[in-house]
Amino acid sequence: EVQLVESGGGLVQPGGSLRLSCAASGFTFSSYAMTWVRQAPGKGLEWVSVISDSGDNTNYADSVKGRFTISRDNSKNSLYLQMNSLRAEDTAVYYCARGKYYFHWWGQGTLVTVSS
Amino acid sequence: EIVLTQSPGTLSLSPGERATLSCRASQSVSSSNLAWYQQKPGQAPRLLIYGASSRATGIPDRFSGSGSGTDFTLTISRLEPEDFALYHCQQYGSSPWTFGQGTKVEIK
Repeated sequence: EVQLVESGGGLVQPGGSLRLSCAASGFTFSSYAMTWVRQAPGKGLEWVSVISDSGDNTNYADSVKGRFTISRDNSKNSLYLQMNSLRAEDTAVYYCARGKYYFHWWGQGTLVTVSS
Repeated sequence: EIVLTQSPGTLSLSPGERATLSCRASQSVSSSNLAWYQQKPGQAPRLLIYGASSRATGIPDRFSGSGSGTDFTLTISRLEPEDFALYHCQQYGSSPWTFGQGTKVEIK
């Protein structure tokens, strides 16, 4: 059974940093691109970033470009999102999802709150 | 980027009724690269439809998707109690992928 489990969320001050992790199991992790999607409280979904199966190619939403870095460790079946220079508008539940285009498998999400 | 506008914002219906949800794109979505998701409070989204009209694995056939270009529709033929939820559309034809703001289907 495919499982994606995010961790690393929490409360951080504006300008601070946080690293999210997503532990994958139940499938061959190194064969799939992986994506981060976020959802601000009471709002719609927003695509954040994608990384290729090998990790060689990445892409970011303009709203996070230059501040967030997506990475993966295929030996550990893990996906990461390093978030720097956090802003209040980054407050959201962050989901990892399997795939590049549309997403059949999602994690349960981890809440990031940016506030002083 | 492509802006997706979902309508109506809220749909109030009774179990057994037909639900028709709209997703309109600001420009043509290439190759009908459009997906629909269902989301319940406190849960992650669940993929219903991809490629505008292909049902995802395990999705009941009361859910159907249609449309092309800029106009897409999700139809739930007969609402079951578990279908009352928030529905999102997503385009993956033009980077960055974008989502609509959602349509809430609530019990009348």
